[in-house]
Amino acid sequence: DAGVTQSPTHLIKTRGQQVTLRCSPKSGHDTVSWYQQALGQGPQFIFQYYEEEERQRGNFPDRFSGHQFPNYSSELNVNALLLGDSALYLCASSFLGASYNEQFFGPGTRLTVL
Amino acid sequence: AQKVTQAQTEISVVEKEDVTLDCVYETRDTTYYLFWYKQPPSGELVFLIRRNSFDEQNEISGRYSWNFQKSTSSFNFTITASQVVDSAVYFCALSGSDNYGQNFVFGPGTRLSVLP
Repeated sequence: DAGVTQSPTHLIKTRGQQVTLRCSPKSGHDTVSWYQQALGQGPQFIFQYYEEEERQRGNFPDRFSGHQFPNYSSELNVNALLLGDSALYLCASSFLGASYNEQFFGPGTRLTVL
Repeated sequence: AQKVTQAQTEISVVEKEDVTLDCVYETRDTTYYLFWYKQPPSGELVFLIRRNSFDEQNEISGRYSWNFQKSTSSFNFTITASQVVDSAVYFCALSGSDNYGQNFVFGPGTRLSVLP
């Protein structure tokens, strides 16, 4: 049973560019959440997708957008990259119908903005 | 607003010592969940434990144990007889009762170094 997978593993971009990160949830999961983890900090919630809609959003600007596909996989898009967007981006999946909240995390995509 | 505080930024211990990682949380929800995750250098968050707000029983799993006290809003994590492989960053996290949300509020993490 494959866990949560993310691609690419590493990415280097320059300021002003746009980037797309991808996530495939764990089998049987229908909800995908994205987190940004800056160096030395805890992960910060970006947004969550369920039934192909953004259900909840953290305190991130509109430059951060996402999408969920019918197969539950998800993309995170960041436009007009800033140096401060350099971070580890973590995807987490869960099953909304579960009786408890448990999220399984992927290995992350490390984004470096130069 | 929900908040998680991990006051210990870094801890160093010698192998076989016991170590406790502190976690204090703030929430107005009556139903909530608390978690501990381990993040080794590879970066992936590894789930360790989940505890809901109605279950204050302490839990032991091998060398790991957790002490949940609602009266002090704390959910501390103890590693007994630490090993070098325990070296990692440990995060405490809080999730509210809104299933739609299911988003986690993480603490800043505690970096544990276990020296041989």
